[in-house]
Amino acid sequence: QQQVKQSPQSLIVQKGGISIINCAYENTAFDYFPWYQQFPGKGPALLIAIRPDVSEKKEGRFTISFNKSAKQFSLHIMDSQPGDSATYFCAATSTDYKLSFGAGTTVTVRA
Amino acid sequence: DADVTQTPRNRITKTGKRIMLECSQTKGHDRMYWYRQDPGLGLRLIYYSFDVKDINKGEISDGYSVSRQAQAKFSLSLESAIPNQTALYFCATSDPWGTHTGELFFGEGSRLTVL
Repeated sequence: QQQVKQSPQSLIVQKGGISIINCAYENTAFDYFPWYQQFPGKGPALLIAIRPDVSEKKEGRFTISFNKSAKQFSLHIMDSQPGDSATYFCAATSTDYKLSFGAGTTVTVRA
Repeated sequence: DADVTQTPRNRITKTGKRIMLECSQTKGHDRMYWYRQDPGLGLRLIYYSFDVKDINKGEISDGYSVSRQAQAKFSLSLESAIPNQTALYFCATSDPWGTHTGELFFGEGSRLTVL
């Protein structure tokens, strides 16, 4: 059973649009919440991560929003570009050193 | 050269065969992991090792075994492969802080097909 639930499974956005991916969790012992980006034929790579005592973190066009009370967090990709087309995974770390991943969202940015 | 190298990158085998997937890293990290990726399921942890003498089961270790031959080498074995082990396998490494923050460094994956 997936400890981190991710939606949508896939999305298509026009160039310049906003991509939004949502994740939810139940385990209040989760510690950090990273997002990974994976291109076809490559391994996942860390994109951005947030601590649970921070409500928002921005790096360039990528923003994580975190709602601790709702146990939800999301990734916003602003001004989406074709080069952002990839699969994105949310994840959460726990005190037993395991990283739990969401199911992944395939983002396609149309030029 | 890649920091985390996996071999082979692709392998097709038959049910019942023994398969070994190898991983080597030049990151200097003590912590190494094996994950399995399936469509719609994300990545699931098979085994992890925090040093050469430390091996731990992950959430889906049944049917798999591992060997940590050195700090830089961590191999995954399927003693008797079955079709539902067809998947994309990833090796990853981290330092202790990376385990806490979720910063892992992944290889490019080994695609295994069991017929």
